[in-house]
Amino acid sequence: GAVVSQHPSWVICKSGTSVKIECRSLDFQATTMFWYRQFPKQSLMLMATSNEGSKATYEQGVEKDKFLINHASLTLSTLTVTSAHPEDSSFYICSARDFKRVSYNEQFFGPGTRLTVL
Amino acid sequence: KNEVEQSPQNLTAQEGEFITINCSYSVGISALHWLQQHPGGGIVSLFMLSSGKKKHGRLIATINIQEKHSSLHITASHPRDSAVYICATAGNQFYFGTGTSLTVIP
Repeated sequence: GAVVSQHPSWVICKSGTSVKIECRSLDFQATTMFWYRQFPKQSLMLMATSNEGSKATYEQGVEKDKFLINHASLTLSTLTVTSAHPEDSSFYICSARDFKRVSYNEQFFGPGTRLTVL
Repeated sequence: KNEVEQSPQNLTAQEGEFITINCSYSVGISALHWLQQHPGGGIVSLFMLSSGKKKHGRLIATINIQEKHSSLHITASHPRDSAVYICATAGNQFYFGTGTSLTVIP
């Protein structure tokens, strides 16, 4: 159990376009989802935390108007990179947490989405 | 200073060797995770522990809460163990180490 999927797994887009990445919890209800960005040979950087039904909390330095996060249901969160630029090229990873589970500290990670902006 | 420090950053081992990766942290935690990230990027959670020791197959994770230190051991290492291993602390927020890149040579 506790599977998180992401779609797409990779995407190439032109500069200036917007890209939506989906994160789904397949067999549990994710009350909280996290979005991370990872640059080559670096660790994960938390971008934002989203709780179902409320606005996302963004980390310092992350532009909320550029990285739109929607957590409209208990199984789906989306990250939209608006007006993407080459510097947004990165590996985006989501994770999910369910406070209903006993081990609420546990995060379940998605497989990631590799974004390349030309 | 990073909240979570891992060592070594890079590790190359011969197949069959016993491997240890260390993680030290400076924040208060309720649990610590060990994660595995293969080339291609997908992350797998190996362990979540808050005290003592856990074992899964050839992998063993230990934590010393007083010393704020955790270790991940791999016994009888195999080339398929080649990956980046990341420790992450869970508390009020998650902090991630920069990872240890392990290469196991046949």
